[in-house]
Amino acid sequence: SAVISQKPSRDICQRGTSLTIQCQVDSQVTMMFWYRQQPGQSLTLIATANQGSEATYESGFVIDKFPISRPNLTFSTLTVSNMSPEDSSIYLCSVEDLTNGYTFGSGTRLTVV
Amino acid sequence: EDQVTQSPEALRLQEGESSSLNCSYTVSGLRGLFWYRQDPGKGPEFLFTLYSAGEEKEKERLKATLTKKESFLHITAPKPEDSATYLCAVQGGSNYKLTFGKGTLLTVNP
Repeated sequence: SAVISQKPSRDICQRGTSLTIQCQVDSQVTMMFWYRQQPGQSLTLIATANQGSEATYESGFVIDKFPISRPNLTFSTLTVSNMSPEDSSIYLCSVEDLTNGYTFGSGTRLTVV
Repeated sequence: EDQVTQSPEALRLQEGESSSLNCSYTVSGLRGLFWYRQDPGKGPEFLFTLYSAGEEKEKERLKATLTKKESFLHITAPKPEDSATYLCAVQGGSNYKLTFGKGTLLTVNP
């Protein structure tokens, strides 16, 4: 199954700043997915990132707030822009795995103060 | 819109005390129902995918079953190391989006 490395694992950021989260996969994948897991809430899909095209955002998420890059078939970044305390959450990347459903990274725990 | 409801929110068991977790769902054209385990500070770990009503899958002390409206995760003779949050998700229609429930926090006491 695919192995995902996600960085950073955690960070504490000042409001108004931005944080870029990196996701590296050990194999080439067509689509990469970014999820948010807020305290006490379910994992929610933010966007789907395809290499060579614009990311597709879910309802309630916009590119200006969560810009995504997908420069190649093994790497993607998610930026959380102009952060507020409401952005405090766990952010996870995921890829489809032919044998194991969808594989997730270990997540980035973000705290905005 | 796809929806997933998991119950109970939390479950505390004694070691060896078998039980079941429930996942009720509504989806337009089920493509798959997924069960994950999530430990604190970690990402979800894949357990099972079920594709059609009547399907069952087992792994060690876990057994997942599926009907047209719900899925159960049966835990037989649990051990403390089975303590985790168990997540259920569905994938429907023609897209790749997973819709998750809020999870069941399982605690198994020795």
